[in-house]
Amino acid sequence: DQQVKQNSPSLSVQEGRISILNCDYTNSMFDYFLWYKKYPAEGPTFLISISSIKDKNEDGRFTVFLNKSAKHLSLHIVPSQPGDSAVYFCAASAQGGSEKLVFGKGTKLTVNP
Amino acid sequence: DARVTQTPRHKVTEMGQEVTMRCQPILGHNTVFWYRQTMMQGLELLAYFRNRAPLDDSGMPKDRFSAEMPDATLATLKIQPSEPRDSAVYFCASGSGLGTGGTAVWAFFGQGTRLTVV
Repeated sequence: DQQVKQNSPSLSVQEGRISILNCDYTNSMFDYFLWYKKYPAEGPTFLISISSIKDKNEDGRFTVFLNKSAKHLSLHIVPSQPGDSAVYFCAASAQGGSEKLVFGKGTKLTVNP
Repeated sequence: DARVTQTPRHKVTEMGQEVTMRCQPILGHNTVFWYRQTMMQGLELLAYFRNRAPLDDSGMPKDRFSAEMPDATLATLKIQPSEPRDSAVYFCASGSGLGTGGTAVWAFFGQGTRLTVV
């Protein structure tokens, strides 16, 4: 049973435009959410996180939005750059982030010049 | 520059052989995870430890996989006997998850061990 779902395996956008990656979760105990970015042949690297006490967190070009009632979060990248091309994983944890991280299957983002 | 170190980076082995993967977590991190990445399942959690004690290994095939932390600087994942379906990239990650209201320090991944079982 997939507790964290990323329903779009891939996304392609033009450089300079907005990239929106989506993630849904089913476990209502999750209260801490993270996005990771992964390049080929490397381990995932932490990108941005959000606690359930917030509905938005911003870090430079990256913004994560959380809709608790819909059990949905999204990552916005504005403006998108070719270097953003990677696989993006959504992850969730309970107990304020102190429990295990459960990952989605990832979305491959391609930003075209 | 603190990092999680995994060895070996690549491993090719024959079916039936024992495979041992090693991980050196970041100093001071009290939580260690083992994940497996496959095309079909994404990042699957195999096991995780807090303060060297196993907390959850429900994702691990018990008959052939085992995970241990002999000390705070070393985590191991063993497969015996290995099978072709075990071919995947295995990631170790470490972190220091704090409680509610704290800032969780999650989770720094190693570069992975690419395992091929032929």
